[in-house]
Amino acid sequence: DQQVKQNSPSLSVQEGRISILNCDYTNSMFDYFLWYKKYPAEGPTFLISISSIKDKNEDGRFTVFLNKSAKHLSLHIVPSQPGDSAVYFCAARGDNAGNMLTFGGGTRLMVKP
Amino acid sequence: KAGVTQTPRYLIKTRGQQVTLSCSPISGHRSVSWYQQTPGQGLQFLFEYFSETQRNKGNFPGRFSGRQFSNSRSEMNVSTLELGDSALYLCASSLAGGRVGGYTFGSGTRLTVV
Repeated sequence: DQQVKQNSPSLSVQEGRISILNCDYTNSMFDYFLWYKKYPAEGPTFLISISSIKDKNEDGRFTVFLNKSAKHLSLHIVPSQPGDSAVYFCAARGDNAGNMLTFGGGTRLMVKP
Repeated sequence: KAGVTQTPRYLIKTRGQQVTLSCSPISGHRSVSWYQQTPGQGLQFLFEYFSETQRNKGNFPGRFSGRQFSNSRSEMNVSTLELGDSALYLCASSLAGGRVGGYTFGSGTRLTVV
């Protein structure tokens, strides 16, 4: 049972435009959400996170939105740059003790010059 | 400051063998988690260690085990390797106990079982 889903395996966007990556979850006990960017043969790099008590968090070109009632979060990248081309993972953490993350399957973003 | 260091970067083993992977966390980080990444299953949580104790365990068979040393370095071991164990194994470290911030991942160990 996939508790975190990224339904779009890939997304192609023109440079300078907005990229919107989506993520859905089913476990209402998740209280913290994170986005990671990953290049092949490297570990994921932390981008931005959001607590379940907020609905928006912004950091430079990256903004994460959380809709708890819909159990949906999205990552907006504005403006998109070719260097943003990578696989993006959303991850969720439950309110139990510890640091276990549940990851979505990833979305490959391609930003065309 | 130095990041998370995983060794070795690449490994080729034969089915039935056992393997040990190593992870050195960022200095001061006491929590170390291990993840397996495969094309079909994505990133899956293996286990987490904090202060030398396993705090969480994912849904993997007992062939997968780990430990953490007093200096927070961690090792994971896979015994009786199967072809399906071929994957990128990632280690992540984070600050002490509380559920704060994100993790910092290492570059991973690419294990190929033949």
